[in-house]
This record gives sequence, structure tokens and C-alpha cells, in this order.
Amino acid sequence: AIQMTQSPSSLSASVGDRVTITCRASQGIRNDLGWYQQKPGKAPKLLIFAATSLQSGVPSRFSGSGSGTDFTLTISSLQPEDFATYYCLQDYNYPRTFGQGTKVEIK
Amino acid sequence: EEQLVESGGGLVKPGGSLRLSCAASGFTFDSYSMNWVRQASGKGLEWVSSISSSSSYIYYADSVKGRFTISRDNAKNSLYLQMNSLRAADTAVYYCARDLEQHLAMDYWGQGILVTVSS
Repeated sequence: AIQMTQSPSSLSASVGDRVTITCRASQGIRNDLGWYQQKPGKAPKLLIFAATSLQSGVPSRFSGSGSGTDFTLTISSLQPEDFATYYCLQDYNYPRTFGQGTKVEIK
Repeated sequence: EEQLVESGGGLVKPGGSLRLSCAASGFTFDSYSMNWVRQASGKGLEWVSSISSSSSYIYYADSVKGRFTISRDNAKNSLYLQMNSLRAADTAVYYCARDLEQHLAMDYWGQGILVTVSS
């Protein structure tokens, strides 16, 4: 199974900060990667699919980049509602595998 | 509006069985692949199983293979997960989720249903 390694596992940031989360695949996965946001007690929400495509309704401050093995989720200017846990998910093959998550906390 | 609603969760003893259901509405159910994803308390997300729109392709995580069975009834707009030989490690919130039509990415999720395996 493809392993997805996310970093950092947590970070503290302030409103307005630029935040970057990375995900590394144990083998090449083309651009078959999505990013999800999850708030406590809620279902995950799709932010980015196919590594760089912004899901409908998601604010443009979210962006994704990368292909192959290295991927990045960037929040250009962190907003209060962005404090959450973020996960990557590879959709290249089965079993589909999530990263371990990155918790974004208020500084 | 697209909606997914899970049901069938609860408390079950180790070795027991449970069947989860996911009722879909607001979209053409038989056009989409569907998934089950679970999350143990305080832990990350774990993909469990996927089924293609016509049930032609089915996949399982190694952790549930041979014990869980995913199925769907397109006439009833419903997705199912039959869980047998349950273990304490299967305790989690289970989500059903829809894949995008053109990409494997989960764009709509249910609210989740708790399954607790305990004696």
C-alpha cells in the first residue's frame, strides 16, 4: 500500500499567516491526490482534488500544488474558520490511503 | 441538495455483526462510486471500502477484508456495509462518502454513525 506522510503533524499560526502543509507519497501517484478539512465532530470537507483543482465553493485562499510524490496545500491568508485538521488522500490506487493529518491551531 | 444519511450503528459485542446503511438523496445515485471511511476517537481518517456505480468494482482495506462487505441498491438509492466478526479495533465513527463523477475524490459525506464494539 502507498504510504502518505504528512508534515507537520501540527502547527500554530495567526490569522493572516500563510500556511503550508506537505504530503509525500511512498511512490509516484501522478496528480491523484486530494486535500480535506475536518473540524471537530464534523465530517471531512473536500478542498482540493487532482492535486491542484479547487472544489466548488471553497475559498480561493486554498491552493494545491505538486505531482508525483510531493504535494503541498497552501492557505494564503489564514482565517478564523480555517483552524481545523487537514488530511491528504491518495486516489492513485487501492487501498486509498490518508495522511496522518495536520492540526492547525491558533497561535 | 445532495444528502447522505447513515444509520444502523450502535453497540455490539466482539465477534458480532452490524449492517450500516447510507441513504442518498438529491443526486443521481447510480452515477457515482461510493465509499466508507472510518475514524476512531481522536485518530485520523481510514479508508474502509469503495464500490463503483454499477457494483462492478469493489475494494477493501486489508484491515476489514474477509469480514466486511460493501453493497449498494441503486433502485433504493442506498449504500450498505455489512460488518461481521467485529473487533474492538473496529470501534469508530463510520462515514459514507460520494466520489466526484470524473475523479476519485470524496465530495459529499454523511454526518457519520458511531459503531462501538465492546463486551
